[in-house]
Amino acid sequence: AQSVTQPDIHITVSEGASLELRCNYSYGATPYLFWYVQSPGQGLQLLLKYFSGDTLVQGIKGFEAEFKRSQSSFNLRKPSVHWSDAAEYFCAVGDYKLSFGAGTTVTVRA
Amino acid sequence: GAVVSQHPSWVICKSGTSVKIECRSLDFQATTMFWYRQFPKQSLMLMATSNEGSKATYEQGVEKDKFLINHASLTLSTLTVTSAHPEDSSFYICSAGEPGQYEQYFGPGTRLTVT
Repeated sequence: AQSVTQPDIHITVSEGASLELRCNYSYGATPYLFWYVQSPGQGLQLLLKYFSGDTLVQGIKGFEAEFKRSQSSFNLRKPSVHWSDAAEYFCAVGDYKLSFGAGTTVTVRA
Repeated sequence: GAVVSQHPSWVICKSGTSVKIECRSLDFQATTMFWYRQFPKQSLMLMATSNEGSKATYEQGVEKDKFLINHASLTLSTLTVTSAHPEDSSFYICSAGEPGQYEQYFGPGTRLTVT
């Protein structure tokens, strides 16, 4: 069975500081991994995805994620956070049906 | 990029009535669409997988007679919540995938409130 764990429910970060969101997955084969962002009352926007190849993936809005098979992790990072990055972030795994983590709420303080 | 729309974006209905939510892929053909439910401050829960021209596949615990899904064309899937009750109030999100692709494109969601 596939599953995703996002250990951090809520993270507060200062504007301009770096951000890292953790994601651990369980999957029987080579995983397809995704990071989505959701603003309040909105749908999901894809930040980046990993299917194969280079384990460091670049996404939109300055985000990147690194796939580490040995740690079953796919952590999301951003070097310098902007106030507009305040949102809910979901990690997902799957090749047909997606399983989502519980999400991490990011608050950005001035 | 691939765009998925949902209509309505929000709806209020009275207990006992039915409400239909539409999910459309605007610029691609979607052989598969997915319906999710999201409670406040929680993650997305997959309700069902909808394949064009065939019956939907429901996840365990989802009442198929309550949540009717129809995928009549390659660009439209509908979710009908029948005999709605206040506990059905939620945020419903659809997604669609292109044939042979693993990426899903998400709609903006529909907020359902049952009074």
